[in-house]
Amino acid sequence: KNEVEQSPQNLTAQEGEFITINCSYSVGISALHWLQQHPGGGIVSLFMLSSGKKKHGRLIATINIQEKHSSLHITASHPRDSAVYICAVSFGYDMRFGAGTRLTVKP
Amino acid sequence: GAVVSQHPSRVICKSGTSVKIECRSLDFQATTMFWYRQFPKKSLMLMATSNEGSKATYEQGVEKDKFLINHASLTLSTLTVTSAHPEDSSFYICSGGEPNTQYFGPGTRLTVL
Repeated sequence: KNEVEQSPQNLTAQEGEFITINCSYSVGISALHWLQQHPGGGIVSLFMLSSGKKKHGRLIATINIQEKHSSLHITASHPRDSAVYICAVSFGYDMRFGAGTRLTVKP
Repeated sequence: GAVVSQHPSRVICKSGTSVKIECRSLDFQATTMFWYRQFPKKSLMLMATSNEGSKATYEQGVEKDKFLINHASLTLSTLTVTSAHPEDSSFYICSGGEPNTQYFGPGTRLTVL
């Protein structure tokens, strides 16, 4: 079993839909990260969380430390949101990655 | 956020040649940088931890003689793929930063013919 599990692996949505990507982890962490990787390959950090909830524009990330679970929500999804979303956990410099969720938003 | 650059972004080489990939932290100093490899539709796999002024720490299964890492300054780490073979073709990504805060380079796509 991977230390970081994401679901779903693939997700197709219509423009405007509300999207949720889930992440569960099984190790002790200092922080949880949501990363975005576009087809060109570059990775952008969206959020770093150690508790509670963060919001940036149409993106919301939550974490439940007790349940070792995090969710990434995208409201009013847009085709430009199409990317791979990666959940990662860190403890100091040690970082572990989920397999990613490939999101496709259709116009 | 902080910026990490990689060069080249793409490289095609012949089997048997060596390829050097540079990773630079542009606006911060990085005593520790990380090199990852990503296979198609897979997540990042940590290859090695690059330590400024000392030897790199390689993950299990990664050949240190094949993937040479040099971290000669606080802003530059290099990964050299020696005697490259087609199976080394992959997407290589570096990162640097602080504990719990990593900034990723844009990646280098290596194709070995």
